[in-house]
Amino acid sequence: EVQLLESGGGLVQPGGSLSLSCAASGFTFSSYAMTWVRQAPGKGLECVSSISGSGDNTNYADSVKGRFTISRDNSKNTLYLQMNGLRAEDTAVYYCAKDLRYKWNPTDTFDIWGQGTMVTVSS
Amino acid sequence: QSALTQPASVSGSPGQSITISCTGTSSDIGIYSYVSWYQHHPGKAPKLMIYDVNNRPSGVSNRFSGSKSGNTASLTISGLQTEDEADYYCSSYTITNTRVFGGGTKLTVL
Repeated sequence: EVQLLESGGGLVQPGGSLSLSCAASGFTFSSYAMTWVRQAPGKGLECVSSISGSGDNTNYADSVKGRFTISRDNSKNTLYLQMNGLRAEDTAVYYCAKDLRYKWNPTDTFDIWGQGTMVTVSS
Repeated sequence: QSALTQPASVSGSPGQSITISCTGTSSDIGIYSYVSWYQHHPGKAPKLMIYDVNNRPSGVSNRFSGSKSGNTASLTISGLQTEDEADYYCSSYTITNTRVFGGGTKLTVL
């Protein structure tokens, strides 16, 4: 069964750091780009960061550029998101999502999502 | 405010058909056929229902269909069932090489 399982969420103070993980199973992980998508309370979805299948290409939303770092370990079938300098507006459920077809093509869509992990930034 | 505009809610009775609209601009939906629709039951993983405007992934019921006209995409669900009650989000590729979403539509099956 194709599955994504996020972990690492929690409560952190403003300015703090948190690292999220997404364990993948049931497909050839290195063959697909992966993305972190978040949903703030009462808001819509937002693409946070994407990474190509090889890990050579990345992109970030302007709102997290310079603070968040996406990475992957294809030997462990795991996607990561290192979040530094956290702000209240980063409070959200964070989902990892798999691209449908490509190793790196921003026109692609997300065919598999995890259930999400909650990140709360508050003092 | 989300990049794509969806109605906050729609409703229908079992067996009926409903349509959810998703309005963008000439920088996204208007020029690209990369529109997707996701179904989300709160607390669960979102599910891809439609991609590239009108394509259904394997396993998705043919009661779900997508279309596009100008800057607006639409998701139609025919023969409504109680299990269709969920939040629905549209998404599109944009001229700035990003993917954006709508604010979501809550579907209630009365």
